[in-house]
Amino acid sequence: EIVLTQSPGTLSLSPGERATLSCRASQSVSSNYLAWYQQKPGQAPRFLIYGASTRATGIPDRFSGSGSGTDFTLTISRLEPEDFAVYYCQQYGRSPPKITFGGGTKVEIK
Amino acid sequence: QLVESGGGVVQPGRSLRLSCAASGFTFSNYGIHWVRQAPGKGLEWVAVISYDGGNEYYVDSVKGRFTISRDNSKNTLFLQMNSLITEDTAIYYCAKDSRGTGSGATDYWGQGTLVTVSS
Repeated sequence: EIVLTQSPGTLSLSPGERATLSCRASQSVSSNYLAWYQQKPGQAPRFLIYGASTRATGIPDRFSGSGSGTDFTLTISRLEPEDFAVYYCQQYGRSPPKITFGGGTKVEIK
Repeated sequence: QLVESGGGVVQPGRSLRLSCAASGFTFSNYGIHWVRQAPGKGLEWVAVISYDGGNEYYVDSVKGRFTISRDNSKNTLFLQMNSLITEDTAIYYCAKDSRGTGSGATDYWGQGTLVTVSS
């Protein structure tokens, strides 16, 4: 089973700053089947990125994903007030199709 | 759109059945997952069922206690939860997979239904 470790646990930044979130897998993620989600308090997760770097429909271009193998990054180029939330990475694409989530990174206002 | 229902407060050892009503897409073409989130914790995948109900998979902690099923004629997903324990307390989300087999990313999520297991 692949374990996903996200760091840091909490990121304290100001609006307009750049956020860099890390997701490290315990073994190589095949075909870069790595997704990112945003979750705000009291809301369901929102689909941001799939295939490690492809933005989902309607996601602003300030969100970008990169990486391959075991190391992946979500970058928010300039934080907007609505971007302060918890972000999760997810590994998919396995057989059998069991999903794994990272523990999450909270991006909070400094 | 995905709308969950059926949550509530239940005693340990009892059962509960969750439902997830789908609309706005061809339900019978896609795998669907249940994902849960304990209070103040992260996301935990629970189960997945393929587009035709032919394949289902579970996280080890619920195997033998939970059963995922679907009724494509009614665009509805179910989660039968038996022998509930306090550790099952969580918000339960249904989430649409981008593939029929259930091996894709989860691209649409419901708002969740809260299950509380307590005596």
